[in-house]
Amino acid sequence: NAGVMQNPRHLVRRRGQEARLRCSPMKGHSHVYWYRQLPEEGLKFMVYLQKENIIDESGMPKERFSAEFPKEGPSILRIQQVVRGDSAAYFCASSPPGGTGSYNEQFFGPGTRLTVL
Amino acid sequence: QQPVQSPQAVILREGEDAVINCSSSKALYSVHWYRQKHGEAPVFLMILLKGGEQKGHEKISASFNEKKQQSSLYLTASQLSYSGTYFCGTGSSNTGKLIFGQGTTLQVKP
Repeated sequence: NAGVMQNPRHLVRRRGQEARLRCSPMKGHSHVYWYRQLPEEGLKFMVYLQKENIIDESGMPKERFSAEFPKEGPSILRIQQVVRGDSAAYFCASSPPGGTGSYNEQFFGPGTRLTVL
Repeated sequence: QQPVQSPQAVILREGEDAVINCSSSKALYSVHWYRQKHGEAPVFLMILLKGGEQKGHEKISASFNEKKQQSSLYLTASQLSYSGTYFCGTGSSNTGKLIFGQGTTLQVKP
């Protein structure tokens, strides 16, 4: 059973460009979470999605950031007009149905390391 | 509010024990524990739920004091592979959102 997959693993963008990060949850998982981790810091919640629905986006910056989890295909975290402060590791996690991620284990993907030049 | 972990860092010799604590100022629904090695993804260790249910690895033990809004992770007979940063994540309601502590760095030496 494949784990959570993220791609790309490393992404380099220049200021002002767009970054698209992809996450495929574990098979059978219907809940997806995105977290951001700055160097030497903890994980910061960004957004929680189920298929075609954003459940909680309280950790998402109001501008430039968006997330989706379509009926078909991976979840996408999109950052428009990137700035140097967006440089971080972005982790996706998934959890099984039958309860939210507060009740069930969240399994993390390998992360995407975004570097903004 | 972000939970507070203590200690911030621990250095052990192989075979020694350690306790990592996690405290929250908010009422908790669940506490999740993860270990992260440098440059890698966090790995799930254990989840403790309000009401006493626990799910996790057999070799890991932890406690959850709902009244004090605290959890402790017990690492016994430590091995070199235990080295890494340990994070607690707290769920204050059944929404899926976890708020993580700042981490506790554990180094196990031979």
